[in-house]
Amino acid sequence: GNSVTQMEGPVTLSEEAFLTINCTYTATGYPSLFWYVQYPGEGLQLLLKATKADDKGSNKGFEATYRKETTSFHLEKGSVQVSDSAVYFCALSDGLGMRFGAGTRLTVKP
Amino acid sequence: DAGVIQSPRHEVTEMGQEVTLRCKPISGHNSLFWYRQTMMRGLELLIYFNNNVPIDDSGMPEDRFSAKMPNASFSTLKIQPSEPRDSAVYFCASRIIGTATDTQYFGPGTRLTVL
Repeated sequence: GNSVTQMEGPVTLSEEAFLTINCTYTATGYPSLFWYVQYPGEGLQLLLKATKADDKGSNKGFEATYRKETTSFHLEKGSVQVSDSAVYFCALSDGLGMRFGAGTRLTVKP
Repeated sequence: DAGVIQSPRHEVTEMGQEVTLRCKPISGHNSLFWYRQTMMRGLELLIYFNNNVPIDDSGMPEDRFSAKMPNASFSTLKIQPSEPRDSAVYFCASRIIGTATDTQYFGPGTRLTVL
């Protein structure tokens, strides 16, 4: 069945470092792809999304490009801040439901 | 705009007691999801409804768990009897069926502790 695999954490970076969190997917058809972020004590919030191949989702300095040829949707940010510390979830929606990755915990130190 | 509303935010109960978690989806959304999140198992889909009808409950762990959606603006997840292994954060999410992106919007969660 359809699934998402994302980079295991935790990831610890210094402020202003470059961030990449890898995400690959297995799916039949053309799913929509998402990144959600969960701050401590809160629910998941949509960070960005892409609905078709070569689409780039972006928000708050984060970007991810839907790559069909590599079945990937890696999350990147050029310069992380302490406030970006959270758990990040990659997900796909195939019309039947949403499937989430295991989550990657990011800690950014000043 | 009000997002998904869940209550209570925190629940502490003793083993064997009945627990009821509540969710109000975003107005106009016609699909609702219940998830459970634990450190060991991550985020698990328990059940989802389309137009108040349960579509897939294969994620419900066992008969102690039940969920209802009596109308478009309210859903409950009940655990009876509760056990310590049910301790987790339970999230409700809603969406509009048939939109291009199928984006789900999550509530803040209910943190359940069963002693």
